[in-house]
Amino acid sequence: DQQVKQNSPSLSVQEGRISILNCDYTNSMFDYFLWYKKYPAEGPTFLISISSIKDKNEDGRFTVFLNKSAKHLSLHIVPSQPGDSAVYFCAAKAPQGGSYIPTFGRGTSLIVHP
Amino acid sequence: EAGVTQFPSHSVIEKGQTVTLRCDPISGHDNLYWYRRVMGKEIKFLLHFVKESKQDESGMPNNRFLAERTGGTYSTLKVQPAELEDSGVYFCASSHITGAYAGELFFGEGSRLTVL
Repeated sequence: DQQVKQNSPSLSVQEGRISILNCDYTNSMFDYFLWYKKYPAEGPTFLISISSIKDKNEDGRFTVFLNKSAKHLSLHIVPSQPGDSAVYFCAAKAPQGGSYIPTFGRGTSLIVHP
Repeated sequence: EAGVTQFPSHSVIEKGQTVTLRCDPISGHDNLYWYRRVMGKEIKFLLHFVKESKQDESGMPNNRFLAERTGGTYSTLKVQPAELEDSGVYFCASSHITGAYAGELFFGEGSRLTVL
């Protein structure tokens, strides 16, 4: 009963091209979404977020798009760099008991080739 | 400022033994979370402390898992007795505030548990 789904376990992209990582969710109560990035042997680190009242949020090379009707969000990285190679986790928050604890997906491993 | 620190980084134990994982959150962070990731799967929520109180422990798998946060500073997660399916990486995270727009959690590097 995964509420946050990242159906692509891996993605391989050429340096300089666009990387698009996808995430689907099932819980219509989710109202805040985040992307985390994780390097091997490290903990996840926050990358970018978006509120459900927006459909796009941009931060440098990273843009997150939210399609609420489709319960889908995506992370675009342009241009991709070898240092972007990592596992990317999609996460979502809902006001369960007021605590807003993030629910994570399985992650997508991005490999950016030089 | 020190980040979230976890100890040990890796623990290998036999089935039936006990293991205690420790997490030191960022100083001043009242909120402390434990998550677990089994290989290739999602980072799954275990529980949430606000200071020394358990705010939400709905993700704890069973009563073999015991989390404490005495004094509202560091936290421990004890697994007793450990089973094979407990293997995975246990992440601790902390945050200053909660809420929808509270921003990110700060994660530690994780404690990898291998149960043989």
